[in-house]
Amino acid sequence: DIVMTQSPDSLAVSLGERATINCKSSQTLLYFSNNKNYLAWYQQKPGQPPKLLISWASTRESGVPDRFRGSGSGTDFTLTITSLQAEDVAVYYCQQYYSTPSLTFGGGTKVEIK
Amino acid sequence: QVHLQESGPGLVKPSQTLSLTCTVSGGSINSGDSYWSWIRQLPGKGLEWIGYIYRSGTTYYKPSLTSRVTISLDTSKNQFSLRLTSLTAADTAVYYCARVPLSDSRGAAGPVDSWGQGTLVTVSS
Repeated sequence: DIVMTQSPDSLAVSLGERATINCKSSQTLLYFSNNKNYLAWYQQKPGQPPKLLISWASTRESGVPDRFRGSGSGTDFTLTITSLQAEDVAVYYCQQYYSTPSLTFGGGTKVEIK
Repeated sequence: QVHLQESGPGLVKPSQTLSLTCTVSGGSINSGDSYWSWIRQLPGKGLEWIGYIYRSGTTYYKPSLTSRVTISLDTSKNQFSLRLTSLTAADTAVYYCARVPLSDSRGAAGPVDSWGQGTLVTVSS
């Protein structure tokens, strides 16, 4: 199985400041045939299911604010919240879908307000 | 917009079998463009994919759970179900049903784009 490792486990950021979450996979998520990275990011707020924010490492889902930005390729990926808002307090997960049929998630990063 | 809703018992005794059902509305599980999945979240912890099923009845399970898990379809009711046997306290979790669209020409599963609200299952005597 591909292992997904997120860092840090938690971070506290002031409102309006940048939050950066890292995700590393144990093997490449870049598929040579279509040059796509099979990596997604989710946001989970307390008592709610996860919400898909970004697919293909950098493609925002419809309705997701543009302050959420995904980047990276191969084995190293980053989710950046460029200007943290109060409603962004949540746990964020990365997930690989390269090794279909298996899906694996990172351990999560809790984002709080400083 | 597809909607998924889990149903089933909230409390199950150790060694017994868990049965959960997911009712899908706003879309057909027979559409062929998605896998139908179960995912769980252990208390205070991360997300664990359990498995999924395609409209053909083909199933894929997490290898460490394959001896205890069965996912099935009822297309007439637009439902799919999870059966997990030989429960222990370690199976206590929030169980989500979810839709996983096919992502490419290989038929690979994509990211999860729709989730149920989740149902807490506690394994305790």
